[in-house]
Amino acid sequence: AQTVTQSQPEMSVQEAETVTLSCTYDTSENNYYLFWYKQPPSRQMILVIRQEAYKQQNATENRFSVNFQKAAKSFSLKISDSQLGDTAMYFCAFTLNRDDKIIFGKGTRLHILP
Amino acid sequence: DTAVSQTPKYLVTQMGNDKSIKCEQNLGHDTMYWYKQDSKKFLKIMFSYNNKELIINETVPNRFSPKSPDKAHLNLHINSLELGDSAVYFCASSSRARQGEDTQYFGPGTRLTVL
Repeated sequence: AQTVTQSQPEMSVQEAETVTLSCTYDTSENNYYLFWYKQPPSRQMILVIRQEAYKQQNATENRFSVNFQKAAKSFSLKISDSQLGDTAMYFCAFTLNRDDKIIFGKGTRLHILP
Repeated sequence: DTAVSQTPKYLVTQMGNDKSIKCEQNLGHDTMYWYKQDSKKFLKIMFSYNNKELIINETVPNRFSPKSPDKAHLNLHINSLELGDSAVYFCASSSRARQGEDTQYFGPGTRLTVL
């Protein structure tokens, strides 16, 4: 069975700093997708970034980038120049190509301080 | 022009009642999902439908019955509500048919409170 682990329940950083959120996962499959979702206080689940396991290049979306280490089964999220609006719960998530369900980590609550 | 919408956003009801939550997507996706987020923010899949057919049912009590009248809608009906059903329920959709477009897009969530 696949599992996703986020070891940091809560983090706080100053505005404009860079922060890295950790995620590890476990699977015996070779093809899969990894995601980071953001859930602000509004409760909406927002896709931040997506990575295909067969791609070696790390995904980037503006200030958000990932460090995908397939052999280590690690998928960390880096937020550069953090902004107050980045304050949210961040969920690391995993899905197999042939299976539709997303398996979520328990989340990291990120506070960006002014 | 909301992509995935849910109604209602808040639902407060008494134990033992029957209630429904509706979900609609206008993304042209063929697969829809229901997830439950508990009080500790843990998100877990409940059901998945592809082209109106049930493909995932994750050990959910049979008091929960999803209904998919067409590909754009997946409603969740809950019978005999219990205190433990209090949670936020998220609907999501994706395109299984389109290669590489498996990203799931979520609705705004429905906060269900059972008293």
